[in-house]
Amino acid sequence: QVQLQQSGPGLVKPSETLSLTCTLSTGSISSYYWSWIRQPPGKGLEWIGYIYYTGSTNYSPSLKSRVTISVDTSKNQFSLNLRSVTAADTAVYYCARELGGTYSTNFDSWGQGSLVTVSS
Amino acid sequence: QSVLTQPPSASATPGQRVTISCSGSSSNVETNNVNWYQQFPGTAPKLLIYDNHQRPSGVPDRFSGSKSGTSASLAISGLQSEDEANYYCAVWDDSLNGPVFGGGTKLTVL
Repeated sequence: QVQLQQSGPGLVKPSETLSLTCTLSTGSISSYYWSWIRQPPGKGLEWIGYIYYTGSTNYSPSLKSRVTISVDTSKNQFSLNLRSVTAADTAVYYCARELGGTYSTNFDSWGQGSLVTVSS
Repeated sequence: QSVLTQPPSASATPGQRVTISCSGSSSNVETNNVNWYQQFPGTAPKLLIYDNHQRPSGVPDRFSGSKSGTSASLAISGLQSEDEANYYCAVWDDSLNGPVFGGGTKLTVL
């Protein structure tokens, strides 16, 4: 396992862009797949997308038009940008490491979670 | 509406065995490996079972997983009070080309 530390604002205005960063405190980002997953208050988990360290990405079809995930291997971190947010995007956002990539859902390491509220 | 269907709740008394189901389809559970996650309130999920029935290091053998056709199950034997948590199944969906999660099952230890 690796340790993941999340950072970013906890409050975003409607129509603006939600930005979060996940930094590896231990381990190297230069392998495996790096995902963002969110959980609305009191609800279940929703996969947002992942990035491989080479920069290859895969996004949830329902969010694809608004999401960008990027990686900075020199800083051992990856980031989430979610554009044009609404109240429906209010959730706890998690970063996670996925071991297998395509056809796999083996998330073995998770960040601490970041509650992001969309409100004016 | 989740692609994977789990019962919203389950309950049992300490020492008993409880099973949580995860129902999917030919595009997910039937063709890909199922994982299970345990989540306590206010904390991140923890990988509990991977590849249908494998346990990560440190997970007690009271937890077991199985899969048959389009359904998977998580069983917890010798139930303990500290097992009270939310449990989620997860699997890759070939139609959506990405991971999907079940809606979650809240386990109450009576």
